[in-house]
Amino acid sequence: DTGVSQNPRHKITKRGQNVTFRCDPISEHNRLYWYRQTLGQGPEFLTYFQNEAQLEKSRLLSDRFSAERPKGSFSTLEIQRTEQGDSAMYLCASSPMGTSGANVLTFGAGSRLTVL
Amino acid sequence: GQQVMQIPQYQHVQEGEDFTTYCNSSTTLSNIQWYKQRPGGHPVFLIQLVKSGEVKKQKRLTFQFGEAKKNSSLHITATQTTDVGTYFCAAPDNYGQNFVFGPGTRLSVLP
Repeated sequence: DTGVSQNPRHKITKRGQNVTFRCDPISEHNRLYWYRQTLGQGPEFLTYFQNEAQLEKSRLLSDRFSAERPKGSFSTLEIQRTEQGDSAMYLCASSPMGTSGANVLTFGAGSRLTVL
Repeated sequence: GQQVMQIPQYQHVQEGEDFTTYCNSSTTLSNIQWYKQRPGGHPVFLIQLVKSGEVKKQKRLTFQFGEAKKNSSLHITATQTTDVGTYFCAAPDNYGQNFVFGPGTRLSVLP
């Protein structure tokens, strides 16, 4: 297993276009998270899956954002009608379903989005 | 919602000096985690603290969880240039399902 894989690593798009990012988590990890990180800030939670169920969505996730994890394995994050404010690093992380307080996040290298 | 604050925001030290970053919450935490992000990299898990007053060491790094489980600290003894990066604390949100990250402390080490 090579860890959490994300692609594309970089995406440059024009405002108004749609973009999709893919995350392949560590195979035995049930939980998958999407975070967004802008320069100089900590990761901000976007959404979280346990297997294929999307259990929580941040208020940051407007209706232009949608995430799926159709078979409980890989996940996609789609941003429709991109805006310049969407420019950020989109980080995916996965964790095993542990006992209370035991979840450790393993992050991917991220997908950097630039909206022109 | 759950928030964690970190101070300082930046710290510049001379190689060999010590460094400490602090993480604070207004609510009692079930656990706290620390991550390190190298420049241009992604966050990497360092440690998790669960018990009140817990102290854990990793070589030159010492992590502490406060007695009231509302604060935590990371102390690096005799910094090296390899310690450069941003250190984040992260705590479970109010539902315990995901993690809220602090704003981080960026450490620069001058050789």
